[in-house]
Formats: sequence, C-alpha cells, structure tokens
Amino acid sequence: NAGVTQTPKFQVLKTGQSMTLQCAQDMNHEYMSWYRQDPGMGLRLIHYSVGAGITDQGEVPNGYNVSRSTTEDFPLRLLSAAPSQTSVYFCASSNRDDTDTQYFGPGTRLTVL
Amino acid sequence: GENVEQHPSTLSVQEGDSAVIKCTYSDSASNYFPWYKQELGKGPQLIIDIRSNVGEKKDQRIAVTLNKTAKHFSLHITETQPEDSAVYFCAASGSEKLVFGKGTKLTVNP
Repeated sequence: NAGVTQTPKFQVLKTGQSMTLQCAQDMNHEYMSWYRQDPGMGLRLIHYSVGAGITDQGEVPNGYNVSRSTTEDFPLRLLSAAPSQTSVYFCASSNRDDTDTQYFGPGTRLTVL
Repeated sequence: GENVEQHPSTLSVQEGDSAVIKCTYSDSASNYFPWYKQELGKGPQLIIDIRSNVGEKKDQRIAVTLNKTAKHFSLHITETQPEDSAVYFCAASGSEKLVFGKGTKLTVNP
C-alpha cells in the first residue's frame, strides 16, 4: 500500500492562476479531507468527503473547490490563487468504521506570489 | 464548535528527561482525542489516541491521560530521545471532524 499520496510536493503560482492539488489513497477509505497548515495555526479543515459524490465544507472553505468522483481520489482546486493561500496542504483519509483515525499524506507546499 | 488549546508552544528538554504537553477542549460532546507527531517535511502521524471511556492509555514511552470533567488531556513522553524531536499536535473529535491544537515544537537536546 502506498497509503495517501499527494502531488505535487511543491508549487509556485502567481496571483490569479488556478491549479489542482491531487490526492489519492489506496486503502479503500470512504472518508477523505483536506487541511491547510500555517505557522502557529495548527491544521485547519478546508473540505471533506464521506464518500464518492458527497462533499462538505470545513472551517476554511473559501477559495477552494472539491469533488469526489471516485473513492480513491479527492482533488482540491484553487480557482484564482491569492497570496493568503500560501500554505502547506495535507490530504487525509480514514475508514468508515473508524473515521476518527486519519492517515495523512506527505503534503504539498504552495506559494502564491 | 470545538476549540482546542495546546500548551506549551515550544518545549526543550534534556535527553532522558520527561516531556508533558497539555490540551484543553471546549465541546463536552467530543469523545476521541488523538495525538500526532510531525517531523520536518512530513505529514502528521498518529502516535497515540484515547477515547472518552478511558482515563489513561500507555504505549511504551508515551502515555495519554484524559480528564473529561475538566476537559483536558495530556501527552507524556518519558526517557526522551533526540528522535522524539518534532512538532506534536493534539486534536479532539465528536462528529467526524477533527479539531487540532496549534502544535508544540519539542526539542530534545543530547
């Protein structure tokens, strides 16, 4: 099992550009989520999904879109990047029988100039 | 919603000493309290967790205690080693969503 994988590892964008952060898991987990990590702020939930076709907003959803067409993939889209979106992004997944225990990917470090 | 406070933000100890990190939470309905360790450049990794029907849990050199009445829980690391140096996050969960503390940077000096 590769677990939770994220691509790219690093990305630099200019203000206004769009991009998609990829997340995939091979553990057949129903529950997936996206967090952002900023210095001194801990991890904050952006969006989450309890299964294919179902998504919901977390604590800081503005400026981000998600979709869940398959169990394995949960991409995060930035429609028009802003400097405030400079952060490290983590994807996580968990099993329906144990939604509490989340497994995190290695992260994507995004810089918006 | 849930709010999790974590202290201290930084902690420096000598190798072999014990380290204690404390968290408080606000939502009395929360019933799951994990601790994550994050090494530089990596994602958080679950190291230990506790549920509300248990007061203490131990796994080798690490232990977690929970006081539901006071709404606080703590991570205890004994006989610290340099490889314990990392950022540690506590979290609380009551309904599918984890709310994290802001993290504690632990440095273990050889």
